[in-house]
Amino acid sequence: EPEVTQTPSHQVTQMGQEVILRCVPISNHLYFYWYRQILGQKVEFLVSFYNNEISEKSEIFDDQFSVERPDGSNFTLKIRSTKLEDSAMYFCASSESHRQGGELFFGEGSRLTVL
Amino acid sequence: AQSVTQLDSQVPVFEEAPVELRCNYSSSVSVYLFWYVQYPNQGLQLLLKYLSGSTLVKGINGFEAEFNKSQTSFHLRKPSVHISDTAEYFCAVTPSSGNTGKLIFGQGTTLQVKP
Repeated sequence: EPEVTQTPSHQVTQMGQEVILRCVPISNHLYFYWYRQILGQKVEFLVSFYNNEISEKSEIFDDQFSVERPDGSNFTLKIRSTKLEDSAMYFCASSESHRQGGELFFGEGSRLTVL
Repeated sequence: AQSVTQLDSQVPVFEEAPVELRCNYSSSVSVYLFWYVQYPNQGLQLLLKYLSGSTLVKGINGFEAEFNKSQTSFHLRKPSVHISDTAEYFCAVTPSSGNTGKLIFGQGTTLQVKP
């Protein structure tokens, strides 16, 4: 069964460093998302991406964050100058359609720990 | 704006007993509703969704949920749980109009099935 894969599963970084979280969406999907879950809190929407541009972003997704689909298969989330409060589980998701109500397929998550 | 409240953070239950996980939402616009499940060390998986039509929806693994518009609720039920149902369950909503696929999640309910 096709699945969304994420790497790394866990990354530890020093405050101020840049991290890149990688995702390989399901191959025929066209819409991509990043969500995050800070420990003990809700899963929060960060950004949605389609046709090589951001279609919506939350207030969390400021200039510190960027997304890219560099090679037609990977979908990356870059976090510049990481802060302690960026520590969270980051989930990538993809969907076949942007149609409301369409199913999002999630990866297993990348846990980011900022020290 | 939308918000989702899952009223129970943890629900312990014995195997073969029935269970109900509660979800209430708030929205000024019409929404679609979802339940996702996260098994240990896995991504979020869609259990079921309500888009329109019958207010009782059936999902995978014997789960069902009932949409109650007047009470703005979407409680998840299973008549007889198994040990393998132990997981984190997330209720989510998205506006029924729009085209971003953005989900707003509740804080999650941990279902602990005991032998």
